[in-house]
Amino acid sequence: KAGVTQTPRYLIKTRGQQVTLSCSPISGHRSVSWYQQTPGQGLQFLFEYFSETQRNKGNFPGRFSGRQFSNSRSEMNVSTLELGDSALYLCASSGGWRETQYFGPGTRLLVL
Amino acid sequence: QKEVEQNSGPLSVPEGAIASLNCTYSDRGSQSFFWYRQYSGKSPELIMFIYSNGDKEDGRFTAQLNKASQYVSLLIRDSQPSDSATYLCAVNMNGNQFYFGTGTSLTVIP
Repeated sequence: KAGVTQTPRYLIKTRGQQVTLSCSPISGHRSVSWYQQTPGQGLQFLFEYFSETQRNKGNFPGRFSGRQFSNSRSEMNVSTLELGDSALYLCASSGGWRETQYFGPGTRLLVL
Repeated sequence: QKEVEQNSGPLSVPEGAIASLNCTYSDRGSQSFFWYRQYSGKSPELIMFIYSNGDKEDGRFTAQLNKASQYVSLLIRDSQPSDSATYLCAVNMNGNQFYFGTGTSLTVIP
């Protein structure tokens, strides 16, 4: 099976702009979770989607939003970018028993 | 108290030695436990999962779970320089929400 794919892999934006990141899960997986990883904070949970519905949400401001499509692909949007949003954004898909999560390669976002 | 806690290290071991990585978690009802390895600049890669008390072995890796003590560990036997990475402990709590520790940085010295 193909793994989790994320696009784009790298992104440079300026403060105030918005950005959309995309994640395609492993075939057959219906759950997609998003994480932000920074050197100081480690892996921070953003939200999880299952069958097009947000099932869990972390403690991030409303500027961070997401959605999931009927084919389980998911997008994450960050509006009004701030310098502190510079991070590695990881998507993980899960499915099946015990819902083991498998990570994509990540999107590295730099906000200038 | 954080949901999942790990010693951040760094942990240094000589090549060929056993590396021991530890993790504690807060939710006594947790059922699923995972270890991920993350090389610098890369995404986390699943090494092992464990659901039952006791030991689970996979090659040079052994995961140990003690639910009564809310403790999970990872042993790496015959450590190699290629094992140098950050190891993340993850616990599935509250349905399908994963909680990750901050990771332990391991360096294997040739």
